[in-house]
Amino acid sequence: AQRVTQPEKLLSVFKGAPVELKCNYSYSGSPELFWYVQYSRQRLQLLLRHISRESIKGFTADLNKGETSFHLKKPFAQEEDSAMYYCALLEMAGSTLGRLYFGRGTQLTVWP
Amino acid sequence: GAGVSQSPSNKVTEKGKDVELRCDPISGHTALYWYRQSLGQGLEFLIYFQGNSAPDKSGLPSDRFSAERTGGSVSTLTIQRTQQEDSAVYLCASSLSGHTDTRYYGYTFGSGTRLTVV
Repeated sequence: AQRVTQPEKLLSVFKGAPVELKCNYSYSGSPELFWYVQYSRQRLQLLLRHISRESIKGFTADLNKGETSFHLKKPFAQEEDSAMYYCALLEMAGSTLGRLYFGRGTQLTVWP
Repeated sequence: GAGVSQSPSNKVTEKGKDVELRCDPISGHTALYWYRQSLGQGLEFLIYFQGNSAPDKSGLPSDRFSAERTGGSVSTLTIQRTQQEDSAVYLCASSLSGHTDTRYYGYTFGSGTRLTVV
């Protein structure tokens, strides 16, 4: 069963516009969620963690348990934000304890 | 080392040949993961090693795929009799422990091995 869904494969916005990358999850317990980013020709890296309630590079993500969502948002997109973004859920129990389940990713393009 | 190291960075092989991909995790990281990244398919889990526990092999797509981790450090992913559908980027990641530290720090990924089967 797909634990993490990213409904948009591609997303394009203009520089300075707000951007929201959608992520929905399916999990019976309290979810631990992450956003990872992969810039062109770079390795996949952690962007932010739900547990830290942080803002990184202007991005934030709020867990909405009612809607089972963890959307990534930035009020003013920059060209350097163009990258592939992956939402991920950490299994905290059971036989797959410790495994990160990734969505299929959203390729964000920010036009000048 | 400072990060997760993978080798080779690129590998082109003929269909039917065997290949070995290497991952050197961050020193002290007890958990090691292999994922496969294909165009349009996202990240596909392959196998997970945690300390001295038996590895979780549930993601390996066929019996042509195997992996081992020697001495709790370096891991090798072996693909036998490669097929064209095996072409992908193979990513290795490590974390301090299976879930406790992953909760705070996530995984650290290597730069991957791009495998092309011709």
